Amino acid sequence: DIQMTQSPSSLSASVGDRVTITCRANQDISTFLNWYQQKPGKAPKLLIYDASNFKTGVPSRFSGSGSGTDFAFTISSLQPEDIATYYCQQYDSLPLTFGGGTKVEIK
Amino acid sequence: QVQLQESGPRLVKPSQTLSLTCTVSGDSINSGSYYWTWIRQPAGKGLEWIGRFYTGGSTNYNPSLKSRVTISVDTSKNQFSLRLSSVTAADTAVYYCARECRTEWIHWFDPWGQGILVTVSS
Repeated sequence: DIQMTQSPSSLSASVGDRVTITCRANQDISTFLNWYQQKPGKAPKLLIYDASNFKTGVPSRFSGSGSGTDFAFTISSLQPEDIATYYCQQYDSLPLTFGGGTKVEIK
Repeated sequence: QVQLQESGPRLVKPSQTLSLTCTVSGDSINSGSYYWTWIRQPAGKGLEWIGRFYTGGSTNYNPSLKSRVTISVDTSKNQFSLRLSSVTAADTAVYYCARECRTEWIHWFDPWGQGILVTVSS
């Protein structure tokens, strides 16, 4: 199985701050990586696919980058509605696997 | 707009079989090249892919659950189902159904159902 390691597991930042989450795969997955946002009590929602492509309608303050084994997800200006847990997910090979999640809170 | 909705018993006894159904609305389950997928999330924990059914007829399962899992599709009802046998407390989780979309080499889960909490307890 491909192991996906996210860091940090949680963070607290102020409104307007730039926030970056990293995701590392234990083998090369090219750009076969998605990012999801999960708000409390809700199902995850796709934000970024293929490492850096936005789903239609996703605010431009969200972005993704990376390839190979190292990836990053950035919120350029944190907003109160961004409070959620964020997950990376690889689709290079089966079984499909997710990172452990990063919980983002407002300071 | 495609929507998915999970349904089934919310309480299952240990050693019994968990059975859930996902009803798809807004599109035919046979349209396009999609994987119909189950994912679960224990309380306060991360996401675990359980497996998927491809509209072309194949299935894939997580090896960690493979001996206990069956995913099937009922096209006449526009539904797909999950059966997980010999459950224990470790199978207590929110179970999500999702559509896995693909285009060339890109795959993604969208949309997801709202999720259903299934508790394994006597």
